[in-house]
Amino acid sequence: NSKVIQTPRYLVKGQGQKAKMRCIPEKGHPVVFWYQQNKNNEFKFLINFQNQEVLQQIDMTEKRFSAECPSNSPCSLEIQSSEAGDSALYLCASRGQGYSDYTFGSGTRLLVI
Amino acid sequence: QQQVRQSPQSLTVWEGETTILNCSYEDSTFDYFPWYRQFPGKSPALLIAISLVSNKKEDGRFTIFFNKREKKLSLHITDSQPGDSATYFCAARMDSNYQLIWGSGTKLIIKP
Repeated sequence: NSKVIQTPRYLVKGQGQKAKMRCIPEKGHPVVFWYQQNKNNEFKFLINFQNQEVLQQIDMTEKRFSAECPSNSPCSLEIQSSEAGDSALYLCASRGQGYSDYTFGSGTRLLVI
Repeated sequence: QQQVRQSPQSLTVWEGETTILNCSYEDSTFDYFPWYRQFPGKSPALLIAISLVSNKKEDGRFTIFFNKREKKLSLHITDSQPGDSATYFCAARMDSNYQLIWGSGTKLIIKP
């Protein structure tokens, strides 16, 4: 069982709808990453946080996605207006300080129809 | 320059044989190289990892060999088992922001 908890496991949305997914990082892990894995198994980095602050995000995330990692609440990733090309597995991973490994959640599989 | 390349794209091996998966990179800022295994419908799970200070890392049937000069790694799985059938990803971590750069994966099938 993963120590990073992602919900929901599956999400089905129509084009133009909002899609929101959540992640509870492993306890004590201050760094959180979101990756998108498409049907070709390609990984795309979306955004990462250290504590509650955004460290880095890609252009797509800046424009159509909103993400946050508030203290004492789950992290979230929300697509403001879903597109068919957003259909993918969204993976949340957390990491401790220094040279520690990532722990991945089970993922949220989004289907935009 | 930030690419991580994996080969082959897919591989079929008989049970009991040794599987060899390859990975290469170009970016000298990468400092840590984890291998992840992903079963269908599941998220990737860390299998074994190596850093720049080592040439070899062993964990049971899994061994990473690292040629730093050529920027090449290989993952060897000895006594391959049908349960090892999965997609294997090589990744590289950037030392500046700890982001992972992923290879395209090798789909491994172990035939009994």
